[in-house]
Amino acid sequence: GNSVTQMEGPVTLSEEAFLTINCTYTATGYPSLFWYVQYPGEGLQLLLKATKADDKGSNKGFEATYRKETTSFHLEKGSVQVSDSAVYFCASFSPATDSWGKLQFGAGTQVVVTP
Amino acid sequence: DVKVTQSSRYLVKRTGEKVFLECVQDMDHENMFWYRQDPGLGLRLIYFSYDVKMKEKGDIPEGYSVSREKKERFSLILESASTNQTSMYLCASRSGETRSQPQHFGDGTRLSIL
Repeated sequence: GNSVTQMEGPVTLSEEAFLTINCTYTATGYPSLFWYVQYPGEGLQLLLKATKADDKGSNKGFEATYRKETTSFHLEKGSVQVSDSAVYFCASFSPATDSWGKLQFGAGTQVVVTP
Repeated sequence: DVKVTQSSRYLVKRTGEKVFLECVQDMDHENMFWYRQDPGLGLRLIYFSYDVKMKEKGDIPEGYSVSREKKERFSLILESASTNQTSMYLCASRSGETRSQPQHFGDGTRLSIL
């Protein structure tokens, strides 16, 4: 079946460090891919998305490229801030098998940025 | 901007009570979803609805029901609350217009069953 696997956390890093969160997927057909962010005590917010191979989603300094050959959608940011401390979720939607926009979520990766 | 509003941020109820969690979206979205989020288990889909009065079971529907009488409102019902339903509940909505439409989430309801 369809699934999303992302690296386990917590990931702890210093301010201005480079952040990478790995995400890989298994899916039938050509899924759309998403990264969501959840700040403490809040719901999930869409961070970025990509809908076809080689698309790059970007927002707030974060980027992720849809790599069909490696079935990956890794999230990167060049210089993190304390305010980036949150839980990050990778998700996929495969119209071939998932009805009505049902998403497959990864387990989430907690990121802690220290001053 | 899409606004998904959950009626309560925090709720405390007693075992055996019937509990209603309400969710309203303001973007005329066709699809709506209820999840619960627990430490170590991530997000799990309880129910979803693809149109008014239409619903589908998600991965963990036991002990829950839903109601969608109007397009903008999707209610989650705990028929007889139990302590293992203490959790964070998240509602989401989505336009059914194209395949790439994301889900938009509310701020969540943290429910405690005593």
